[in-house]
Amino acid sequence: AQKITQTQPGMFVQEKEAVTLDCTYDTSDQSYGLFWYKQPSSGEMIFLIYQGSYDEQNATEGRYSLNFQKARKSANLVISASQLGDSAMYFCAMRELLQGGKLIFGQGTELSVKP
Amino acid sequence: EAQVTQNPRYLITVTGKKLTVTCSQNMNHEYMSWYRQDPGLGLRQIYYSMNVEVTDKGDVPEGYKVSRKEKRNFPLILESPSPNQTSLYFCASTSTPGQGNEKLFFGSGTQLSVL
Repeated sequence: AQKITQTQPGMFVQEKEAVTLDCTYDTSDQSYGLFWYKQPSSGEMIFLIYQGSYDEQNATEGRYSLNFQKARKSANLVISASQLGDSAMYFCAMRELLQGGKLIFGQGTELSVKP
Repeated sequence: EAQVTQNPRYLITVTGKKLTVTCSQNMNHEYMSWYRQDPGLGLRQIYYSMNVEVTDKGDVPEGYKVSRKEKRNFPLILESPSPNQTSLYFCASTSTPGQGNEKLFFGSGTQLSVL
C-alpha cells in the first residue's frame, strides 16, 4: 500500500537561510507523481511543486526545489532564502498513476521562519 | 478567475441531521475529490471522481456520499453526521490526473462541527 511519511512535525529556520523538509514514500508502482503543498494559517492549500517518477531532473519552481532520490524513495522540499511568509504547514503527497484518482498526503511539517 | 468554490465556509450542526457541502469548479476539470483534514493526520481522501457519473472511494469513505451528475459540481453528503466527522473539509479538482505536471486546485475549505 502506498504511504507518505513526514518525520518532522515542526521546524525552525532563520530568515534568508535555506531549509529542507523531509518526505519519504513507499510504493511498489513505477509510475507515480509527488507533490508539495503549503497551508498558511489562513487555511488555504497552495500548490508548490510537482515531480513525476520518470522525470530525470529535479523539479524547481522559483525558490522551491524538490530533491528527488528515487532509489531512497525520498522527495524532500528545499526552500532557499526563507522568508517570513514561508511560515506555514507543508504537506507532501503522492499519486500512484495506475491507481488513477487516489492521492495520499503526509502528516505535514510546520515550518516557522524566525526574523 | 479559475477557482474551486466550496460552501458553506463554516457549518455547525447536530448529530443525525443530513447536510450537504457543495463544491463547484469553473475550469472544466474531469477530476474532483474530497478530503478531510484532522490535526496530526494530514489530509485524507474521502471520495474522488474521474469524470461525470464516475466516483470511487478514497481512504476514509465511511459515513459520506458523493454524486457527480455534472462536470462542474461534486457535492459531499453526510446522511447522518456524527461528532467524529467534525473536521476541516476540502474539495479539489484537476484536469487529468497522471498526465504529468498536474496541479490540484483546492477550495477554501469547510469547517464542520457536529454536536
